[in-house]
Amino acid sequence: QSALTQPASVSGSPGQSITISCTGSSTDVGSYNLVSWYQQHPGKVPKLIIYEDSKRPSGVSTRLSGSKSGNTASLTISGLQAEDEADYYCCSYGGSSNMIFGGGTKLTVL
Amino acid sequence: QVQLQESGPGLVKPSETLSLTCTVSGFSISNGYCWGWIRQPPGKGLEWIATIDRDGSTCYNPSLESRLTMSVDTSKNQFFLNLRSVTATDTAVYYCARVPHDVVRGVIKLYYIDFWGQGNPVTVSS
Repeated sequence: QSALTQPASVSGSPGQSITISCTGSSTDVGSYNLVSWYQQHPGKVPKLIIYEDSKRPSGVSTRLSGSKSGNTASLTISGLQAEDEADYYCCSYGGSSNMIFGGGTKLTVL
Repeated sequence: QVQLQESGPGLVKPSETLSLTCTVSGFSISNGYCWGWIRQPPGKGLEWIATIDRDGSTCYNPSLESRLTMSVDTSKNQFFLNLRSVTATDTAVYYCARVPHDVVRGVIKLYYIDFWGQGNPVTVSS
């Protein structure tokens, strides 16, 4: 199984919107509605922010949203704030009882 | 509130076995879910290692499977990881976690990771 593909870095100014892509294949992202996203601030534990492609856990800002088209999932953050600066990881069920992570994307708020 | 706490050595010698314990509080492992391990090498991304359910059914990352053993002790509300023949590439922060799942036609389908431990840094070095 190969890691999911994410851009190494994205950036945006406060108030803008950004989108992070997560590309897999027809055997993982494209086969199941089981993409999740995690936010990790430096030195901190990853936090679940999106699950089952587009659902938000209780307490997660509505500025964060998930979507999927074919083999590519996306995380969109609208109204960028300084606190959104972090690393973001996608993850998908890969079939055969496996989970696959993306390489991670560093978000910089300019 | 579900809480998980890893425990284990911070330093392991090359070729030896890394053994980690995760103690769960606020939720009984016997009540369901899968329980797993994820690691993160210094400055790098996350890697799923393995999961286990309350009955001891395991799911292993194929790239690590030959060196892995997971087990569970529901009476102590703990689960365990053994990684054999470690090398420097196994140096990482090891997280334990709770994983919602389903069983479809006998296959464990892993959904996402909803609770994480604080992480146990492990260095492999002589």
